[in-house]
Amino acid sequence: AQSVTQLDSQVPVFEEAPVELRCNYSSSVSVYLFWYVQYPNQGLQLLLKYLSGSTLVKGINGFEAEFNKSQTSFHLRKPSVQISDTAEYFCAVVVSGGSYIPTFGRGTSLIVHP
Amino acid sequence: DTGVSQDPRHKITKRGQNVTFRCDPISEHNRLYWYRQTLGQGPEFLTYFQNEAQLEKSRLLSDRFSAERPKGSFSTLEIQRTEQGDSAMYLCASSLAQLGETQYFGPGTRLLVL
Repeated sequence: AQSVTQLDSQVPVFEEAPVELRCNYSSSVSVYLFWYVQYPNQGLQLLLKYLSGSTLVKGINGFEAEFNKSQTSFHLRKPSVQISDTAEYFCAVVVSGGSYIPTFGRGTSLIVHP
Repeated sequence: DTGVSQDPRHKITKRGQNVTFRCDPISEHNRLYWYRQTLGQGPEFLTYFQNEAQLEKSRLLSDRFSAERPKGSFSTLEIQRTEQGDSAMYLCASSLAQLGETQYFGPGTRLLVL
């Protein structure tokens, strides 16, 4: 069975600084990878996803992520964060050729300080 | 389309009571998912439907939980004889039936069992 590890439960950062949120997965087969964002009292919203092709994926709000198969990682990055990026971020994995059901990580709380 | 909607947004009930939540997916989506999310955790899969057929249920899903999607449109999730441990956010998501397809989440129903 696949699993997702988000090593950092909380990441504090100053406004306009770069940020990286880490995600590692374990699976013996090919996977699809997703990053979702959840603002307070709201549902999850897709930031970006990797299905195939280029390992560098660009998403909404200036975020990007890089799929690294050898390190089984899919870290999320933004070169300059804004106060409005303060939210919970979830990494998820779906096994290629399996069920459609994603496995989510525990989430990383991004806190952007002025 | 206004996206995935859920009703109610909040529910407070006493232990032992039954509760029912409703989810209205995006109209052209044939897949509908229910998740449970507790504080500090990612969404945990409960069950999913393709059209009106319930295709999979989590092994963690108690017999007190039942879900329906009678006409392949909206879905209901019922919890019988609620327990304090059922307190959580219940999320609904919908998607097209394609592997790697994006799931669109509703705002959730927050349940508090006293």
